[in-house]
Amino acid sequence: EAGVAQSPRYKIIEKRQSVAFWCNPISGHATLYWYQQILGQGPKLLIQFQNNGVVDDSQLPKDRFSAERLKGVDSTLKIQPAKLEDSAVYLCASSLDVEGTEAFFGQGTRLTVV
Amino acid sequence: GEDVEQSLFLSVREGDSSVINCTYTDSSSTYLYWYKQEPGAGLQLLTYIFSNMDMKQDQRLTVLLNKKDKHLSLRIADTQTGDSAIYFCAEDTGGFKTIFGAGTRLFVKA
Repeated sequence: EAGVAQSPRYKIIEKRQSVAFWCNPISGHATLYWYQQILGQGPKLLIQFQNNGVVDDSQLPKDRFSAERLKGVDSTLKIQPAKLEDSAVYLCASSLDVEGTEAFFGQGTRLTVV
Repeated sequence: GEDVEQSLFLSVREGDSSVINCTYTDSSSTYLYWYKQEPGAGLQLLTYIFSNMDMKQDQRLTVLLNKKDKHLSLRIADTQTGDSAIYFCAEDTGGFKTIFGAGTRLFVKA
C-alpha cells in the first residue's frame, strides 16, 4: 500500500514570498490533515478535510494560509506571504475514518523562510 | 485549555526497559495515542488506547492509562538501538481534534 506522498521535501524561500505544498493521501482515505511542526514541538493541526469539505480550520492563520482539497483527493497548502515564523515542517496525514484512529503521516515538507 | 505534557529526553541502555510518561488535561478524550518519529520521517502510529481501558499490550509495548490522574505511559521492553526516536503522546479531544505533546527524545546506548 502506497503511503501519504508529499512534495517538495524541502523548500527555502525569502520572507514575503509565496509557497505551496502538495499532498496525495492514501487511496480511499476520506480524511486529510495538514499539521505544522515547529522545531522542538509537537505537530499542531492547521486544517482537517473530510472528503473535499473542511471539518476544522480553527488554527489556520487565514490571513496568509489557505488550503484546498479539490475532488476530495489531493490537497495543497499555500502560504502567501511567508513570515520567518512559518519555518517548520508541514506534515500531511490521512485516515480512513473521521475519528482518525489510524492516521498515516507523510514525510513532511521542511520549509525554511529566510 | 487543552494541553499534553511530556518530558523532553530519556536515555536508557540497550536491553533495558524504557518508560515514557505523558499527562493530558482533557478528561473527555476518547482516544490516546503514542506516535514515533524517526529523523527526517513523518509520524508513525505505534499504538492507541481507548479511554475506557487502563492497559494495552502489544508485543514489546505496554500502554498504561490512569484516567483519574490523566496520566499515560508507554513502556518499551528490551529497548533496542532502533527504538531511538522521538515519541509523541497525543489525545483526541473530540470534535475530530488531536492534540500532540512536544515529544520525548529517546536515546538508546549500546
